[in-house]
Amino acid sequence: DSGVTQTPKHLITATGQRVTLRCSPRSGDLSVYWYQQSLDQGLQFLIQYYNGEERAKGNILERFSAQQFPDLHSELNLSSLELGDSALYFCASSPQGTGTETQYFGPGTRLLVL
Amino acid sequence: GENVEQHPSTLSVQEGDSAVIKCTYSDSASNYFPWYKQELGKRPQLIIDIRSNVGEKKDQRIAVTLNKTAKHFSLHITETQPEDSAVYFCAHLGSGGSNYKLTFGKGTLLTVNP
Repeated sequence: DSGVTQTPKHLITATGQRVTLRCSPRSGDLSVYWYQQSLDQGLQFLIQYYNGEERAKGNILERFSAQQFPDLHSELNLSSLELGDSALYFCASSPQGTGTETQYFGPGTRLLVL
Repeated sequence: GENVEQHPSTLSVQEGDSAVIKCTYSDSASNYFPWYKQELGKRPQLIIDIRSNVGEKKDQRIAVTLNKTAKHFSLHITETQPEDSAVYFCAHLGSGGSNYKLTFGKGTLLTVNP
């Protein structure tokens, strides 16, 4: 157990819908990262937050948005969902959000868009 | 300049044999190269990393080598055991404006046959 929690574990929804994925970092970690893992694209970095502020952005679609709250938990919002958004979404955390820190991954949220 | 290519995509070895996974990258300014292991249905976990000021790092049966001139780095697992069966991802840290962002390879599925 990494100490990073994610809810829900599984999510099934329909195209066009909107969902929110939630992540709580390890105690003491200030930075949160979001990744999308699909069979054909591997592990893709989406976005990183440090202490409430966006720090780095990856291949995140405009339909997706995220934020980190004052209590350091983070939410990833996915809207106008398409079939291709079906994937495993991981959250990770690290203490200071520098690139060379170990990132501790949560258990993931498996999203299925029908 | 952020791509990383990982080979092979699948690797099957007999228990006790060695396994080698290789990654090449294009960003010559990258200076941090971690390897993550993901067991089936579980979260990715850091197993070893190397910084650009060293050429090799070992941790028991696992070693990573880095050739900055050729821009490639490799994971070596000796005396493989069935519990080493997993997907292994290499990654590298971007430089400049991407220096908080890890770019992952597409993964290598390692199967260790008893």
